[in-house]
Formats: sequence, structure tokens, C-alpha cells
Amino acid sequence: SQTIHQWPATLVQPVGSPLSLECTVEGTSNPNLYWYRQAAGRGLQLLFYSIGIDQISSEVPQNLSASRPQDRQFILSSKKLLLSDSGFYLCAWSLSRSSSSYNEQFFGPGTRLTVL
Amino acid sequence: GENVEQHPSTLSVQEGDSAVIKCTYSDSASNYFPWYKQELGKGPQLIIDIRSNVGEKKDQRIAVTLNKTAKHFSLHITETQPEDSAVYFCAAPTGGFKTIFGAGTRLFVKA
Repeated sequence: SQTIHQWPATLVQPVGSPLSLECTVEGTSNPNLYWYRQAAGRGLQLLFYSIGIDQISSEVPQNLSASRPQDRQFILSSKKLLLSDSGFYLCAWSLSRSSSSYNEQFFGPGTRLTVL
Repeated sequence: GENVEQHPSTLSVQEGDSAVIKCTYSDSASNYFPWYKQELGKGPQLIIDIRSNVGEKKDQRIAVTLNKTAKHFSLHITETQPEDSAVYFCAAPTGGFKTIFGAGTRLFVKA
């Protein structure tokens, strides 16, 4: 069966510090991978998605970046955190198809980031 | 661009009553409509989905209806229980690799 892991589970960082959040998927190959951010009490904002290694699309211009060094590893990074980066970060995967049609997304447990 | 609107943002019901959450989508090419439940501090989990070739799907106390002409789909929860309390998200694919999520509905089931 497939599983998705995220770490760390919680993180408190000062403004201006760097960030690295990691997501790994097990039990499937060549998944589509996604990073979402969820502000407190709000919906899901798509940040990045990737359909393959070195194929990453950015949805929202900001001080975050994403990388996919391995097929089932997705990393969210920042060189300098802002207060507004605080939130709940969710990684998700879906089966590799030609499009997202009929594509259920499976979410990880999330990382709660607080920037002080 | 593509959009998914979800209503209401908050819903409070008495235990045993029914709850209905409605969504409207804009992309005519959308053909798959999942619903996710998110409990506090956790990632969303799929609870039911419907494809465009059917108008209704039911799984025990949960049902989803789809009106492709009007671009509406709804989640129906019957005989609500306190453990149904959570945030519910509707979603629709955009025809590419992205899925657009509604803003979410916070459901409170009062015992």
C-alpha cells in the first residue's frame, strides 16, 4: 500500500531563517506531487506541483521554492522566512496520468509552521 | 480562471439531523468531483467522489449529487453524529494536473 510522510510535524522558526520541509511517498512510482498551504481556518492554496523529476510548476509567486531530487521526494524550501509564511503545509500525491481527471489526491499529515 | 465556490462556510446541526454542503464549479471539462474531510490538525482524507457519468452516489450515510448542466454538486450527510464534525472540502480538476478546492465548510454536530 502507498503511504506519504511529511516532516517535521511542527516547526517554529524566526523571521529571516531558512526553511526545508520534506515529503516522501512510498509504494508507488512516478507520482504527481503537490505542495499546499493552509492558513488558519482557511482553504487549500496550491503552491507547487510536479509531474516528474525536474518538472515543477509554481502557482503563486513568493519566496518559496520546491525541488524534487528523487522520484518520490518533494522538498519545499525558503531562503528567508516571512511572518506571512506561517501556516499548515500539506504535501499530496496522485497517480501519474495524463491529467488530473479521476485523480484522487492523497494527503500527508502536514507540517505546522510558525514564523515568529 | 477556474473556480470552485463552496457554501456554507460554517454549518451547525443537531445530532441526527442532515447536513448539506453545496459547490459550484466553472470548468466545463471537469469530470471528477471528490469530497474531502479534514479533522483538526490532520491532512484531508477522501470520503466520497463522483464521476460525471452518474448523477448520484451513496455510501452509507454520505451521498453526493451532481448536476452537470448547472455545474453544481452537493454533499449530503444523513443522521449526523458528533464524529462528523470536521472541515469538508469539495474539489474539481481543471483538466490539467491541478485540482481546485473549495474554501471549505466547517461542520459542527451538536450532541
